[in-house]
Amino acid sequence: KQEVTQIPAALSVPEGENLVLNCSFTDSAIYNLQWFRQDPGKGLTSLLLIQSSQREQTSGRLNASLDKSSGRSTLYIAASQPGDSATYLCAAEHSGYALNFGKGTSLLVTP
Amino acid sequence: GAVVSQHPSRVICKSGTSVKIECRSLDFQATTMFWYRQFPKQSLMLMATSNEGSKATYEQGVEKDKFLINHASLTLSTLTVTSAHPEDSSFYICSARKGGLNTEAFFGQGTRLTVV
Repeated sequence: KQEVTQIPAALSVPEGENLVLNCSFTDSAIYNLQWFRQDPGKGLTSLLLIQSSQREQTSGRLNASLDKSSGRSTLYIAASQPGDSATYLCAAEHSGYALNFGKGTSLLVTP
Repeated sequence: GAVVSQHPSRVICKSGTSVKIECRSLDFQATTMFWYRQFPKQSLMLMATSNEGSKATYEQGVEKDKFLINHASLTLSTLTVTSAHPEDSSFYICSARKGGLNTEAFFGQGTRLTVV
């Protein structure tokens, strides 16, 4: 069974810092890896989708990388802002459409 | 992007009653939808895969008679929590894909169920 782990569980940084969130998965036979943002009590907002054949994807201040062989993905957030405060989830699609989620990293960006 | 709408966003019900949660794909058709459950500080756990026109596929440990899933149309799946108990209190969230494998998954806003 695919296990997805996210480190750190929580992170607090001052505004303007660049930061990296980590995601690891045990089964490298994935179709893709997706990063989501979840605000308290809300649903998930898709941030980036990296196909298994890709190495990275970028959207604005966000950059996600994927290393299938080592079972790792990172989400890089540049010039963090208080509005970036949320829980960030990574999820791996292994087979059959459904996603396997990590527990998330709770990010707090302080002004 | 594609939109998935979930209703209600919050519901409080008495023990023993049933609650229905709706999940709609607003601008695309979804032959498959997914229902997840999330406990506080925990990951989303897949409960079942909802298939339009056929029976849902439940994950191990999920009671199909307690969590009834109906996917009657290409844009609507419903999850009914029957004879709810306080331990059923949780955050339920649905998901759908606009395309097939390797396409972006879109999620509803989630439903916070509290059973008193």
